[in-house]
Amino acid sequence: AQSVTQLDSQVPVFEEAPVELRCNYSSSVSVYLFWYVQYPNQGLQLLLKYLSGSTLVKGINGFEAEFNKSQTSFHLRKPSVHISDTAEYFCALKRTDTGRRALTFGSGTRLQVQP
Amino acid sequence: DTGVSQNPRHKITKRGQNVTFRCDPISEHNRLYWYRQTLGQGPEFLTYFQNEAQLEKSRLLSDRFSAERPKGSFSTLEIQRTEQGDSAMYLCASSTQNRGSGNTDTQYFGPGTRLTVL
Repeated sequence: AQSVTQLDSQVPVFEEAPVELRCNYSSSVSVYLFWYVQYPNQGLQLLLKYLSGSTLVKGINGFEAEFNKSQTSFHLRKPSVHISDTAEYFCALKRTDTGRRALTFGSGTRLQVQP
Repeated sequence: DTGVSQNPRHKITKRGQNVTFRCDPISEHNRLYWYRQTLGQGPEFLTYFQNEAQLEKSRLLSDRFSAERPKGSFSTLEIQRTEQGDSAMYLCASSTQNRGSGNTDTQYFGPGTRLTVL
């Protein structure tokens, strides 16, 4: 079985400050990793994904994440946040084999950017 | 490319009634997924279609739930005899199979249907 743990349910931060949203995962098989963002009353939008290769992944809106296999982590970072980054962020994984197509999500981290 | 669309966006119903939701995937996406998201939680997988075949079903999908994708295009999710515990956001996603790339396809999500059972 696979699971995703997002260690912080809420992260308050001031505008233009850096932010890190933490994600740890557990899996007995190899996985792909994803970060999605959800704005109020909207669906999920893909920020970035790790499939293979470089462990530092760059995504949209200035976000990046680093895959750390030894620590089973995939933390999301942004060097300078904007008010518009206020949203819910979800870390997710999917098996690399074709046995199961479903995404497994964490419970989310609410990023609150204050002026 | 108009994205994944879902209808209705909101549905309020009384306990015991049946409800049906529709999902239109991105055109030519052959894979379609349903997820359920309750307040304060991440989405949970319900079921998956490849073309018209339903290939995966979660334990969350009780016998009151049924999903179809009859022509491999749009899909419907029906909940019979709704219960208050069914109140949630129901999300649909679609993806396209990448040749020879295993499980790397990206799932694109629709805006969801918010169900409230009174």
